Amino acid sequence: LAKTTQPISMDSYEGQEVNITCSHNNIATNDYITWYQQFPSQGPRFIIQGYKTKVTNEVASLFIPADRKSSTLSLPRVSLSDTAVYYCLVANGVTGGGNKLTFGTGTQLKVEL
Amino acid sequence: GAVVSQHPSWVICKSGTSVKIECRSLDFQATTMFWYRQFPKQSLMLMATSNEGSKATYEQGVEKDKFLINHASLTLSTLTVTSAHPEDSSFYICSEWGANGYTFGSGTRLTVV
Repeated sequence: LAKTTQPISMDSYEGQEVNITCSHNNIATNDYITWYQQFPSQGPRFIIQGYKTKVTNEVASLFIPADRKSSTLSLPRVSLSDTAVYYCLVANGVTGGGNKLTFGTGTQLKVEL
Repeated sequence: GAVVSQHPSWVICKSGTSVKIECRSLDFQATTMFWYRQFPKQSLMLMATSNEGSKATYEQGVEKDKFLINHASLTLSTLTVTSAHPEDSSFYICSEWGANGYTFGSGTRLTVV
């Protein structure tokens, strides 16, 4: 499984755009990149998934360069409620193949007024 | 999306007693179930993987006789912490894998006193 590396923490203010970058140098050809959000005392929640280039949904964008060795989660105009831990994971195929997921440290995002 | 119902959300038990945590797939069939443990300010650590009708596979360092996993059906899996001790106090999260990928339960906060 591709190991991921993220910043331990990031601070931001309401209304700003936040970009969290994840490194996954050993990503395999069939691997997809998925980002999860976790609030305290809750299970992780799916945010976005991508394979290459750019993916956008109603809550975030995911940018993946051509070599796919990194990815950047972009949260537009964050609010206090976006304060959470964000995890980047790499797994085989769109559905992950049923293989065990290895969670890295995640990035603790703190949004202030 | 897929929903996994995890109960209880929190439990306090006396040292030496056993506690059962239950995860139910409400709208899909879970081929594979994962159980994670998360200590404060740490990432999710995989404890075991189970497939319906077969024995669970435990990660290194996880005592199979202490953390009993039952995955008797495609919609129900349970984790029983036997003879619980204060060091077992943690946040336990189930994750089910199915046709739509991984879905996480809301987690169970276990406190052993």
